[in-house]
Amino acid sequence: QVQLVESGGGVVQPGGSLRLSCAPSGFTFSNYDIHWVRQAPGKGLEWVAFIQYDGRDKYYADSVKGRFTISRDNSKNTLYLQMNSLRAEDTAVYYCAKHQEAHPSFDYWGQGTLVTVSS
Amino acid sequence: DIQLTQSPSFLSASVGDRVTITCRASQDISSYLAWYQQKPGKAPKLLMSAASTLQSGVPSRFSGSGSGTEFTLTISSLQPEDFATYYCQQLNSYPLTFGGGTKVEIK
Repeated sequence: QVQLVESGGGVVQPGGSLRLSCAPSGFTFSNYDIHWVRQAPGKGLEWVAFIQYDGRDKYYADSVKGRFTISRDNSKNTLYLQMNSLRAEDTAVYYCAKHQEAHPSFDYWGQGTLVTVSS
Repeated sequence: DIQLTQSPSFLSASVGDRVTITCRASQDISSYLAWYQQKPGKAPKLLMSAASTLQSGVPSRFSGSGSGTEFTLTISSLQPEDFATYYCQQLNSYPLTFGGGTKVEIK
C-alpha cells in the first residue's frame, strides 16, 4: 500500500538549518509530483512547497521562499526539504503529500515530523 | 493569492444530523477544490476532489458540490467517527491554499 514516511525533524535554534526527508513506498515515486505541507501547533494547514515528478518545476509559499529548498532524488526514492534561516514561526509538523493528477488533490500523506525552532 | 473562507469555523452537532460546511474562494477556481478530514494527532485524509468526486473508500454520506467561488461539503447523517476538523483546499493556482478549517464537535 502507499506510504510516505517523514524524518529529520527536531529542535533547532533560530537561524539554524534542518533537512527533512520523505521516503515513499507502494507507488512509482518518479512518476508523481509531491508537496510539503505544514501545520503549526493548534493551527490550520499551510502548503509549503511543490516539486514536479522529474524535479524540473518547483513552487514555494512566500513565507518560505528563499529559505527553504525542495528537492528529490528519484534514484534513491527520497524527497527532501532543506530549511535554512529557521524562525520560531516555522515551528510545525511537516507532512509530505503525494499529488493526485487525475483529480488534483493530495491523495496520500505521511504521518508528519515535528520541527521546533526555539532557543 | 487565492483566499479560501470556510464557515462555520466551529460546529456542534449530534449523531444523525445533516451537516453542511461552506468554502468560499476569493476568485474563480472552477472545480479545483478538495476536502480533507483531520483527526487530532493524525495526518489529513482526502475526502473529495474536483469539488464533488468522492475518494475511494470514503462513505457515501459525504458529498460535495459547487464550482467557481462557492462550494459545500455535506455529511448527510453524522456518525461518531465524523467528529473531526475539515479543510477545503484550492488547486487552481500556486500558491495552493487551504481554508481555515471547520471543527465538528459532538453536541
